[in-house]
Amino acid sequence: DAKTTQPNSMESNEEEPVHLPCNHSTISGTDYIHWYRQLPSQGPEYVIHGLTSNVNNRMASLAIAEDRKSSTLILHRATLRDAAVYYCILMRETSGSRLTFGEGTQLTVNP
Amino acid sequence: DTAVSQTPKYLVTQMGNDKSIKCEQNLGHDTMYWYKQDSKKFLKIMFSYNNKELIINETVPNRFSPKSPDKAHLNLHINSLELGDSAVYFCASSHGTNQFFGPGTRLTVL
Repeated sequence: DAKTTQPNSMESNEEEPVHLPCNHSTISGTDYIHWYRQLPSQGPEYVIHGLTSNVNNRMASLAIAEDRKSSTLILHRATLRDAAVYYCILMRETSGSRLTFGEGTQLTVNP
Repeated sequence: DTAVSQTPKYLVTQMGNDKSIKCEQNLGHDTMYWYKQDSKKFLKIMFSYNNKELIINETVPNRFSPKSPDKAHLNLHINSLELGDSAVYFCASSHGTNQFFGPGTRLTVL
């Protein structure tokens, strides 16, 4: 599986937008970009995914670079509940839906 | 309504014992998984079943044996528990690529 690189940690203030970056320079044409998050003492939770075009859902937006070598998860207005570890994961449709987790980014939201 | 549930939530046991963790999903999904999260918080897949058939079997000691009695259940049995088995074990299910995770079972081996 292609590797992703994320900052170890980021901080934000409540009600401000947060941009979480992810680099995936070895991404292949069939890799989807998935984002999951893990709140403290909980299981991971699906956030969003995309292939080439930017995506929006009720939780977040995903901005994908034109060359697909990087992407950014955007939380439009961070809340204290958004404090979690955010994982950027590449998944091939043929991989049997295997999720290969990296270290992720620990997001701290300040009140 | 809990989508993916696991029992027990906490499990404390002695080295050498045999224990089981149960997982049930009420989402109607075809595929279920077991992941292990160690003390350094790394999450790694262990097994995956699709329609009761094993499709992913990572390099896991054969002391770990998954069992899927039906599509809605995937249990994990662990023989001869070792200290290094202490971790949080997460069950997940999916229909397609998005996975839904259970709350986890924290296993402590003394």
